[in-house]
Amino acid sequence: IAGITQAPTSQILAAGRRMTLRCTQDMRHNAMYWYRQDLGLGLRLIHYSNTAGTTGKGEVPDGYSVSRANTDDFPLTLASAVPSQTSVYFCASSGDGTDYNEQFFGPGTRLTVL
Amino acid sequence: GQNIDQPTEMTATEGAIVQINCTYQTSGFNGLFWYQQHAGEAPTFLSYNVLDGLEEKGRFSSFLSRSKGYSYLLLKELQMKDSASYLCASIDSNYQLIWGAGTKLIIKP
Repeated sequence: IAGITQAPTSQILAAGRRMTLRCTQDMRHNAMYWYRQDLGLGLRLIHYSNTAGTTGKGEVPDGYSVSRANTDDFPLTLASAVPSQTSVYFCASSGDGTDYNEQFFGPGTRLTVL
Repeated sequence: GQNIDQPTEMTATEGAIVQINCTYQTSGFNGLFWYQQHAGEAPTFLSYNVLDGLEEKGRFSSFLSRSKGYSYLLLKELQMKDSASYLCASIDSNYQLIWGAGTKLIIKP
């Protein structure tokens, strides 16, 4: 692994189904983030984690949950998907969430909820 | 509130210069990023400014005026591969990024 990876690349999901988007980084970054990107809108922060074992809510957390059991992994779960969650999801990481640090992005997951 | 404004779309000619502006209202401002995003790809880092002035990096330069809540990205000697969206993001008092919607730059031959 080099950098930050996400899986799956894309997914079509029926409304009401549960879905986990996976994110793994090998840069030993402390901070990790989940964003959604919708046409005409900026990246919006869903949840973040400044270090393993801690998580926080971003701008649009409703309907999503995260966990940070270790440094490398930061999965995002949609407990019961709804069509408004159709979006492109980006995971990102940075060295230290408490100071300036460039954020590195994964390739994204394109999710369609029908 | 917190807000980032940048033009939705700009068009420029190959070989020319283009300036993409960004204005922000961010509580506890801690700096500003510019990212490039090609269609269907992830954003990639271009520049970071925290002090007033111009930061130059090859063909790309970024300027910040904290007193005016204003930044711009200057792209020189435009190439076709510069066709992309350019995202402005400010850092707030919690070190979270507030993102603009992005400026789609179209380069014409």
